[in-house]
Amino acid sequence: DTGVSQDPRHKITKRGQNVTFRCDPISEHNRLYWYRQTLGQGPEFLTYFQNEAQLEKSRLLSDRFSAERPKGSFSTLEIQRTEQGDSAMYLCASSPAKNIQYFGAGTRLSVL
Amino acid sequence: AQKVTQAQTEISVVEKEDVTLDCVYETRDTTYYLFWYKQPPSGELVFLIRRNSFDEQNEISGRYSWNFQKSTSSFNFTITASQVVDSAVYFCALSVFYGGSQGNLIFGKGTKLSVKP
Repeated sequence: DTGVSQDPRHKITKRGQNVTFRCDPISEHNRLYWYRQTLGQGPEFLTYFQNEAQLEKSRLLSDRFSAERPKGSFSTLEIQRTEQGDSAMYLCASSPAKNIQYFGAGTRLSVL
Repeated sequence: AQKVTQAQTEISVVEKEDVTLDCVYETRDTTYYLFWYKQPPSGELVFLIRRNSFDEQNEISGRYSWNFQKSTSSFNFTITASQVVDSAVYFCALSVFYGGSQGNLIFGKGTKLSVKP
């Protein structure tokens, strides 16, 4: 059990560029969640996968955001045409069934 | 709608003092889960405890203890004899699995605890 892994840890991009983050959950965890955390706030839910199916999306997930989890393993979160307001920590969590969510270290995005 | 309130934004204590972090939650569901997570400066959220709504028994784990009271919708966290390593941001969270929700966590804004030597 190597824990939830996220890559990259830090990403600096210019406004208007596209970025993609990757999350590798704990193996055999069928549930995967993405959250966004801005400075001084608690994490906010973005989207949820059960295996490869995306079953829930928050209203925070605008049209510029897309997430996938092909084959129910790793997941990617893509942001198109980044804006300065997208600057945040993006956290991934996985859990087995309806259980405790274990978090990765996050990807910190800075949009210049 | 669900909501978690952590009224204490920052707390500063001296090592060996006891400290209680408050958490008040709102939900109309009768079945729900409550959590505490710790976020040290490194940024990774570390799971501390989960309680379900049917289990109001208080829990103690080493220097940590939790007091769950449904009557006041509170789930408070006490650290006894605090240590410098306890310095972190602590988040209380709520999750439900009904009404279309798939168990996503609803977090409070967190309480930043600073323990000084």
